[in-house]
Amino acid sequence: AQSVTQLGSHVSVSEGALVLLRCNYSSSVPPYLFWYVQYPNQGLQLLLKYTTGATLVKGINGFEAEFKKSETSFHLTKPSAHMSDAAEYFCAVSERGNQGGKLIFGQGTELSVKP
Amino acid sequence: EAEVAQSPRYKITEKSQAVAFWCDPISGHATLYWYRQILGQGPELLVQFQDESVVDDSQLPKDRFSAERLKGVDSTLKIQPAELGDSAMYLCASMRVAGTGELFFGEGSRLTVL
Repeated sequence: AQSVTQLGSHVSVSEGALVLLRCNYSSSVPPYLFWYVQYPNQGLQLLLKYTTGATLVKGINGFEAEFKKSETSFHLTKPSAHMSDAAEYFCAVSERGNQGGKLIFGQGTELSVKP
Repeated sequence: EAEVAQSPRYKITEKSQAVAFWCDPISGHATLYWYRQILGQGPELLVQFQDESVVDDSQLPKDRFSAERLKGVDSTLKIQPAELGDSAMYLCASMRVAGTGELFFGEGSRLTVL
């Protein structure tokens, strides 16, 4: 069965500092991988996804993530944090070739950005 | 820009009452999901539809929850009777391309059971 582990339920950085949110997955086959962002009392918005091809993927708002098969990881990074990045971030996995495309989500990491 | 519509945004009810949530996916999206998100946790799948058919409802508490998508377009999720533990955000999502896992989410319906 697939699963997702996000290391750290809460991460705090200073404005302008590097953002690093960690995600490890468990899957019997290379999955599709996603990062979603959720602002308070709102739905989830897709930041970026990895399906195939280049293992470094770029998303919206300056975020990027790298798929590392050997480490079963898909960590999210942003070189310079902005106050508007404060939100909850969810890593998710979907089984490749699964016609249903059901997403399994991690528990989430809350990002705080200090001025 | 097309969006997934959900209503109501907020619902407060007393335990043992019935509640219903409505979702209208993006036009043309055949796959529709209902997720439940308890505060501080990630979303968990309740039910998945492909057109009007249920594909996966293995995590749906069928003694009190029901979901339908009669015409394969909009969908309703019902809880009867509501319990205190049902307090959560109920998220609807739809998929553009089958098999990619890329979901588009609505803003959610937040349920508080007193």
